[in-house]
Amino acid sequence: EVQLVESGGGLIQPGGSLRLSCAASGFTFNSYWMHWVRQAPGQGLVWVSHIISDGSDTNYADSVKGRFTISRDNAKNTLYLQMNSLRAEDTAVYFCAREAQTLDDAFDIWGQGTMVTVSS
Amino acid sequence: QSVVTQPPSASGTPGQRVSISCSGSSSNIGDNNVYWYQHLPGTAPKLLIYSNNQRPSGVPDRFSGSRSGTSASLAISGLRSDDEADYFCAAWDDSLNTWVFGGGTKLTVL
Repeated sequence: EVQLVESGGGLIQPGGSLRLSCAASGFTFNSYWMHWVRQAPGQGLVWVSHIISDGSDTNYADSVKGRFTISRDNAKNTLYLQMNSLRAEDTAVYFCAREAQTLDDAFDIWGQGTMVTVSS
Repeated sequence: QSVVTQPPSASGTPGQRVSISCSGSSSNIGDNNVYWYQHLPGTAPKLLIYSNNQRPSGVPDRFSGSRSGTSASLAISGLRSDDEADYFCAAWDDSLNTWVFGGGTKLTVL
């Protein structure tokens, strides 16, 4: 079964750091670009970051640039999001998603998300 | 404030046809493909429509998408109770150099 499972969320104080993981299974992970998307409570989806299949190129939303780092370990079929200098406004459910070039770059597989709460 | 706007809510009765709109600009919807996702809180979002009007394998033909100019819409016919969910549109934005999502529309089946 094609699946993405996020982990690593939790309660963290402002200014703290957290690393999210996204474990992929059921497909050839190293063939796909991957993304992080977040949803703050009561709000819509917001794209956070992407990484290309071999990890050599990344892109970030302005709101997280310089604080978040996306990476991947293709040997472990795992995507990561290192989040530093966390702020209250980073509180959200974080989803990882697969980009399918065969579907014109649609995000065709998503995880269920992991909740990050930034609060003192 | 989302760059791409959707009505916050929509509703219909079982069997009815409903439409959800998505309004953007020339830098996103006007120049790039539109995608639609269905999301039940607590679950993984699901791709419904890609490339404006294409359905992935497994998505029933009750769901259809269209794009005209800087707007797009998702239509759901033969409404069912399990269609009750949040629906998001998305597109790449050439000016922002990011993916942009609509704020989402909560569909209620009365």
